[in-house]
Amino acid sequence: GAVVSQHPSWVICKSGTSVKIECRSLDFQATTMFWYRQFPKQSLMLMATSNEGSKATYEQGVEKDKFLINHASLTLSTLTVTSAHPEDSSFYICSAWTGVNEQFFGPGTRLTVL
Amino acid sequence: DAKTTQPPSMDCAEGRAANLPCNHSTISGNEYVYWYRQIHSQGPQYIIHGLKNNETNEMASLIITEDRKSSTLILPHATLRDTAVYYCIVRDYNQGGKLIFGQGTELSVKP
Repeated sequence: GAVVSQHPSWVICKSGTSVKIECRSLDFQATTMFWYRQFPKQSLMLMATSNEGSKATYEQGVEKDKFLINHASLTLSTLTVTSAHPEDSSFYICSAWTGVNEQFFGPGTRLTVL
Repeated sequence: DAKTTQPPSMDCAEGRAANLPCNHSTISGNEYVYWYRQIHSQGPQYIIHGLKNNETNEMASLIITEDRKSSTLILPHATLRDTAVYYCIVRDYNQGGKLIFGQGTELSVKP
């Protein structure tokens, strides 16, 4: 099956710093990548949709200036959490989609902001 | 908002079939039914999807009622490794692939 990787798998940072998370589709080209956030004991919440070469579309209530998304190529999207605070601590998951059929999810990145 | 309703939790004995129900009474003609599962602290894993016909693959079977208002995911011989949260999602094929997750069913497979 198709493989999606995320880096780093976990990160701990100080409040006020920025953190970049990478999402790569390893064996296919993804026209669209999605970013989700998951708090403990809760379901995945879609944050934004990212299409290669264009601006991301953010879901209602997600601050675009805080969660910067770049989708520079068909195999790489990045999510930067700017000026992170403890309430941004969460499990961030990306998925990649070729435009047909199913999405393939990355293993997730656990962010802890101290 | 998610368009599906699932029981919050279910138990299943190892080796027995696990039947996970999903209600999607407001499903429209363009919407497919997708099933994913998430093992603790991992990304979701695709299981199966269908439009109106029953589907089977190496992981599971998907039974969709004739009126398409509900479906059942069947794991024919559950193992301990099938313990996970199972999500039933309806997706409009014309809306760019977006998946909106509901609360899912937490399946516990017990020895």
